[in-house]
Amino acid sequence: GQNIDQPTEMTATEGAIVQINCTYQTSGFNGLFWYQQHAGEAPTFLSYNVLDGLEEKGRFSSFLSRSKGYSYLLLKELQMKDSASYLCAGTGAGSYQLTFGKGTKLSVIP
Amino acid sequence: DVKVTQSSRYLVKRTGEKVFLECVQDMDHENMFWYRQDPGLGLRLIYFSYDVKMKEKGDIPEGYSVSREKKERFSLILESASTNQTSMYLCAGQRDGSFGQPQHFGDGTRLSIL
Repeated sequence: GQNIDQPTEMTATEGAIVQINCTYQTSGFNGLFWYQQHAGEAPTFLSYNVLDGLEEKGRFSSFLSRSKGYSYLLLKELQMKDSASYLCAGTGAGSYQLTFGKGTKLSVIP
Repeated sequence: DVKVTQSSRYLVKRTGEKVFLECVQDMDHENMFWYRQDPGLGLRLIYFSYDVKMKEKGDIPEGYSVSREKKERFSLILESASTNQTSMYLCAGQRDGSFGQPQHFGDGTRLSIL
């Protein structure tokens, strides 16, 4: 499977922009997912990237660089409700299994 | 809307008991997954199934088994529960194996083994 790495915790201010990074091993890679998980709740799907570049969905955007084995999730105009863990997950070639990173816990402060 | 339902939100069992965790999806999804989630370790795949009666081991299958007799139901079985199986268990469904298909998760079962 993939080896996924992301920061453990981040703190950002309401209204600001935050970037959550994720690195993965590039061999056998076939797409990267981002999920949001509020405390005590199920992870919910945010985005999927398989091609290089930026995908924008409202306040959330996700970027992928296949050659660098790097992705980030960009959250704009942060709101208190964005306080959650953000999970990066990769898929290998020929597989629909996901390998998850350990998650980044984002705290949004006033 | 997508719906994955886990039978219990909280469960307390004793060491040595046989424990069943049930998961039902109403989306006619081919693939179903069982994960456990532990602080500092993230989500780890226990088993998955890509069709009725088919199953594959994930990264940490030891001490667990699964059953998929019907397409909509995927059960996780702890053959003889141990304290190190205390964890949050998450079930997920996925429409099929085509790339980019997201997994949809249930609310989780927080299992405590005493």
